[in-house]
Amino acid sequence: AAGVIQSPRHLIKEKRETATLKCYPIPRHDTVYWYQQGPGQDPQFLISFYEKMQSDKGSIPDRFSAQQFSDYHSELNMSSLELGDSALYFCASSSGPGTSGSAYEQYFGPGTRLTVT
Amino acid sequence: AQSVTQLGSHVSVSEGALVLLRCNYSSSVPPYLFWYVQYPNQGLQLLLKYTSAATLVKGINGFEAEFKKSETSFHLTKPSAHMSDAAEYFCAVAISASKIIFGSGTRLSIRP
Repeated sequence: AAGVIQSPRHLIKEKRETATLKCYPIPRHDTVYWYQQGPGQDPQFLISFYEKMQSDKGSIPDRFSAQQFSDYHSELNMSSLELGDSALYFCASSSGPGTSGSAYEQYFGPGTRLTVT
Repeated sequence: AQSVTQLGSHVSVSEGALVLLRCNYSSSVPPYLFWYVQYPNQGLQLLLKYTSAATLVKGINGFEAEFKKSETSFHLTKPSAHMSDAAEYFCAVAISASKIIFGSGTRLSIRP
């Protein structure tokens, strides 16, 4: 079965540079979520989109922005990178934030490991 | 506010022994609860979920979890540990239709 695809898998940037992470959800999933997982930490919710509109927001820095496109893929844009941004960034997708139980079931991609030097 | 607490950041069991990973939740409404597993350098894989349909939930790889409202618990168990079960396990709760909060994780080690 098709899974969530994230690219790139690894990314090395210098401080103050910008980075763009991409996420391709499972086919027919219309909701994407972004999480940040620091070393030895649990994943922290950043932001989510449903049908190309922001549906929820977590602890996402103002230097970050994200959007969902018409084909439902999403991009996380990170500017003025700091050393503390080094982390695993996960994207997840689901079939919509409706009231059905399956809407709460998020499928995660393999993550993008961002290293800021 | 809804949250989950995982008891024990590291659990070590012998191969073939019972696995028990503890998770307690805090919620004022019936929660949607999950267990995810993360293998080294990999993404999160859904093991099982509780959505109020049945209190005993069976998941993949022989894992199961029981929702106990009286104890506000959702512990993960497996009767017989296998070396391949060594990983990080996260309990999680959906606090909205679009946001999941994870526990701090429990690293499971398997002794030969």
